[in-house]
Amino acid sequence: TQLLEQSPQFLSIQEGENLTVYCNSSSVFSSLQWYRQEPGEGPVLLVTVVTGGEVKKLKRLTFQFGDARKDSSLHITAAQPGDTGLYLCAGVKGAGGTSYGKLTFGQGTILTVHP
Amino acid sequence: DTAVSQTPKYLVTQMGNDKSIKCEQNLGHDTMYWYKQDSKKFLKIMFSYNNKELIINETVPNRFSPKSPDKAHLNLHINSLELGDSAVYFCASRRSGAPYNEQFFGPGTRLTVL
Repeated sequence: TQLLEQSPQFLSIQEGENLTVYCNSSSVFSSLQWYRQEPGEGPVLLVTVVTGGEVKKLKRLTFQFGDARKDSSLHITAAQPGDTGLYLCAGVKGAGGTSYGKLTFGQGTILTVHP
Repeated sequence: DTAVSQTPKYLVTQMGNDKSIKCEQNLGHDTMYWYKQDSKKFLKIMFSYNNKELIINETVPNRFSPKSPDKAHLNLHINSLELGDSAVYFCASRRSGAPYNEQFFGPGTRLTVL
């Protein structure tokens, strides 16, 4: 059973377009993270959202945590070729020491932005 | 001054062999993890150590044995390698108690079993 459903799996767009990636679950998470992974490298943390309804912005990237803390979205405005990569959402269930920081990942979204 | 390093970067081996992957972090973190990323890019946790103590042990074949000689190192030994073990293995670390549970990943080890 996949705890975190991420969609779409693949996204191929032109430079300048906007896009949204979704991460959905039937489970409640204490926090949710978004990572970006480039070929041949490990994932790098972009943002963590912890409060239901929270919105965080990182330049052209906007991250939202659902009110019920079961889902999240990543919106990119005016995508650029440099945004190309694998985007992963990951949730943590339970707070602090009870979770040991165990991350449950979504399946990932491979984004390609064409010049 | 790499934060989380793994060796080797690539590992190609025959079925049935035994191999090890090493991980080192110089961030002063006390918790380290091993993840497996399959061909569809799905990343799944395997093990975690906190201060050399095993704290997460997912459903992984017992051919896989992690070892943490100290807080800065976490190695993964795999016995009797099978074709299905082919994947990219990532090591990660974090400081327990750090806000937001940020984990720092190594560059990965691509294991190919022939």
